[in-house]
Amino acid sequence: RKEVEQDPGPFNVPEGATVAFNCTYSNSASQSFFWYRQDCRKEPKLLMSVYSSGNEDGRFTAQLNRASQYISLLIRDSKLSDSATYLCVAIANFGNEKLTFGTGTRLTIIP
Amino acid sequence: NAGVTQTPKFQVLKTGQSMTLQCAQDMNHEYMSWYRQDPGMGLRLIHYSVGAGITDQGEVPNGYNVSRSTTEDFPLRLLSAAPSQTSVYFCASRRAGVLEEQYFGPGTRLTVT
Repeated sequence: RKEVEQDPGPFNVPEGATVAFNCTYSNSASQSFFWYRQDCRKEPKLLMSVYSSGNEDGRFTAQLNRASQYISLLIRDSKLSDSATYLCVAIANFGNEKLTFGTGTRLTIIP
Repeated sequence: NAGVTQTPKFQVLKTGQSMTLQCAQDMNHEYMSWYRQDPGMGLRLIHYSVGAGITDQGEVPNGYNVSRSTTEDFPLRLLSAAPSQTSVYFCASRRAGVLEEQYFGPGTRLTVT
């Protein structure tokens, strides 16, 4: 079983809709979580951190559920520019701070 | 600030050839990493370094060597290229302890025939 798992999609969503996807992690020692965005043939870039209390940044909301070991990303009022692959990341902070990436969820916003 | 730079952008190798992928950062980051990205596999850590002179293996280190003689540079060497090493390679850097600020280079697309 992969340490961090995501539904690969693709999610095809009409513009203006709300979309949500989850990411599950298997290492209960994981302490820090992030969502990255990766455009086609580009490098990943940090979208937002995921805090225990949740985190909202404009149209984006990230949540952490430690009991069920998953994180979620909600995008409201989706824009065409939101089309990308979204990678979740977990870090178990025991010295080396290695980031473990999920395989990514591909999102396409349809006009 | 150039951020994280990688060269070359594209490379085609024959099986058995060796080469070095270059990575440099100008942000004085202690932590640098190499990842490979393959369809359906996500980003996998090859090697990483927490500072000049210190390197360690990641998830998929076989067939690759690294060294970190300066803070700025972290080259990745393919010793004897194999078709299984066809991938997109990303270098990344960040400050130790600052998990939110990981910056990736633009990537190197490598094909081994």
